[in-house]
Amino acid sequence: GAVVSQHPSWVICKSGTSVKIECRSLDFQATTMFWYRQFPKQSLMLMATSNEGSKATYEQGVEKDKFLINHASLTLSTLTVTSAHPEDSSFYICSARDSETQNTQAFFGQGTRLTVV
Amino acid sequence: QKEVEQDPGPLSVPEGAIVSLNCTYSNSAFQYFMWYRQYSRKGPELLMYTYSSGNKEDGRFTAQVDKSSKYISLFIRDSQPSDSATYLCAVNDYKLSFGAGTTVTVRA
Repeated sequence: GAVVSQHPSWVICKSGTSVKIECRSLDFQATTMFWYRQFPKQSLMLMATSNEGSKATYEQGVEKDKFLINHASLTLSTLTVTSAHPEDSSFYICSARDSETQNTQAFFGQGTRLTVV
Repeated sequence: QKEVEQDPGPLSVPEGAIVSLNCTYSNSAFQYFMWYRQYSRKGPELLMYTYSSGNKEDGRFTAQVDKSSKYISLFIRDSQPSDSATYLCAVNDYKLSFGAGTTVTVRA
């Protein structure tokens, strides 16, 4: 199956600093990528939809100035958590949809565990 | 109303048993249905996807979709301890909508 690589897999940062998470589709092109947040023992919560070459679409309640998303190429999207605070500590997961098989499959990265201290 | 409803369990079965997982969804327009498996601290892994109604089988896994009742199921035959994970159903319109996930433990 298609591979989505997410980096880093875990990160610890100080409160007030910014953290960038990368999501790459390794063997396919993805015009659309999705960013999720997952709290312990809960399902995935969609944060935003990232479209190559245009602005991301954020879900209701997600602060776009805090969670900056850039999708500069067909294989790379980044999520930057700005001025991170302890309540931003969570598991962040990206997924990418193969541009050629739009509706059928979305592949996930391995996730990034962010801890803000 | 949530788009996808899934009983979070947990579900515990002995090795070799059949695991039965179910979800219901609200929008009859959905056409694509997925099951994902997620191990602790990992991203979800696509197990099965089905288009429209019907059954799909892959090894020990069978996915069923009944669009008339808006009901989707996943069956795992001859369950193994390595099948212990959280299973998430999802429906695909443009973006994925996930169920809550059911945590399954297969006891050796």
